[in-house]
Amino acid sequence: AQSVTQPDIHITVSEGASLELRCNYSYGATPYLFWYVQSPGQGLQLLLKYFSGDTLVQGIKGFEAEFKRSQSSFNLRKPSVHWSDAAEYFCAAMDTGRRALTFGSGTRLQVQP
Amino acid sequence: KAGVTQTPRYLIKTRGQQVTLSCSPISGHRSVSWYQQTPGQGLQFLFEYFSETQRNKGNFPGRFSGRQFSNSRSEMNVSTLELGDSALYLCASSLALEPYEQYFGPGTRLTVT
Repeated sequence: AQSVTQPDIHITVSEGASLELRCNYSYGATPYLFWYVQSPGQGLQLLLKYFSGDTLVQGIKGFEAEFKRSQSSFNLRKPSVHWSDAAEYFCAAMDTGRRALTFGSGTRLQVQP
Repeated sequence: KAGVTQTPRYLIKTRGQQVTLSCSPISGHRSVSWYQQTPGQGLQFLFEYFSETQRNKGNFPGRFSGRQFSNSRSEMNVSTLELGDSALYLCASSLALEPYEQYFGPGTRLTVT
C-alpha cells in the first residue's frame, strides 16, 4: 500500500539552528511530493513541491527539500530556524493516477529562544 | 487572488443530525478535494470533484457525500453524525492539471456531541 512516513513526531530546535525534517515514501513509482505547514487552528500552507528534474527544490519561507530516489526520501531543510517556524509540518505524496494526497502523520516543530 | 474559503469555520452538532459544509475554490480552479483531519487518524482523503463529477473517493462510509456546482463551489454533507465525525474538515482546490498541486482552505471545525 502507498504510504508516507514521518519518523519524528516532535522536534525541538533552538532559534537560529538548522533544521531537517525527515520524510520517506513507499510508492510503486515516484509520486509527486509536497511539504505543507499547519499553524494551530489553521489550514495547510504549501511550502514546496517536487515533480521531476532537479532533486533540490526551493520553497517559501527559506525552506528547501531534497529528493533522493535511492532512499525514497524527501527531507525538508532550513539553514536557520525562526521562532515563527514553530508549527506542524506534513509531508505528502500524490499518486498521479488518483489525484489524492496521502499524508504523513506530521512532525511538530518547537523552537526554543 | 483570494484563497480557498470554507464556511462555516466552526460547527457544533448532536449525534444523529446531519451537516453541510461549504467550500469556494480559488478563482479558476476547477477541482475541489475534501480531507478529514483527526488526532487519531491524521489527514485522510474523502473525495475529489471536477466539473460537477466525483472523480475519486476515499475509504469513508456512505454517510459522507458531496457535490460540486457549475461555478466549482463544493459542499460536503455528513448524515447521521457520530461522535467520531468530530474533526477538522479541509477543502483544497487545484487547477485540475498535472501535477495537481492543491491549495487548502482554513477548514471547518466540526464538533459532534
